[in-house]
Amino acid sequence: GEDVEQSLFLSVREGDSSVINCTYTDSSSTYLYWYKQEPGAGLQLLTYIFSNMDMKQDQRLTVLLNKKDKHLSLRIADTQTGDSAIYFCADSSNQGGKLIFGQGTELSVKP
Amino acid sequence: GAGVSQTPSNKVTEKGKYVELRCDPISGHTALYWYRQSLGQGPEFLIYFQGTGAADDSGLPNDRFFAVRPEGSVSTLKIQRTERGDSAMYLCASSLLAGGVTDTQYFGPGTRLTVL
Repeated sequence: GEDVEQSLFLSVREGDSSVINCTYTDSSSTYLYWYKQEPGAGLQLLTYIFSNMDMKQDQRLTVLLNKKDKHLSLRIADTQTGDSAIYFCADSSNQGGKLIFGQGTELSVKP
Repeated sequence: GAGVSQTPSNKVTEKGKYVELRCDPISGHTALYWYRQSLGQGPEFLIYFQGTGAADDSGLPNDRFFAVRPEGSVSTLKIQRTERGDSAMYLCASSLLAGGVTDTQYFGPGTRLTVL
């Protein structure tokens, strides 16, 4: 079945850029998503990219998609302590509405 | 407008008991999804509804789990004979439709279920 993989932890200094990486296996993915989860909270949609795009920029967020390598990344510019959270990559499966999530990357931002 | 709401926010029950978890989707959203998130893991799909019907229930772990959406709006996830392994955060999401950019899913805050 489809699988989505992420590295588990990332630690950066405030003001630096953060890059969170994700790989997926489903070659027929149409949309790929990034969600943010703060402690004890639900999932907040950050951004998404359509599979025929290579890049999408939204304020401090840049999403890069390498469809050939099935690699997705999320870059956060000028990372702030408020960005500390768990970030999930999700793939819209080719079987309708369900999302396949990675295990999440915990981003720690140190002042 | 209001987002997805879920009640209760926390539920503690004893092994063997029956529980119901409720989800109220965003008004006008026809698709509704249930996921389960164990500690330290990403959400895992359970079931989704398009309107009143379950379009995909392939993620339900066994026949103790059942979900309904009788009027195409509010949904209830029902768990019979709860087991300690059912302890998790249960997340609900809704989207305008299922499929395409309109299937962008918006999540509720979740119900944390603890089975003692």
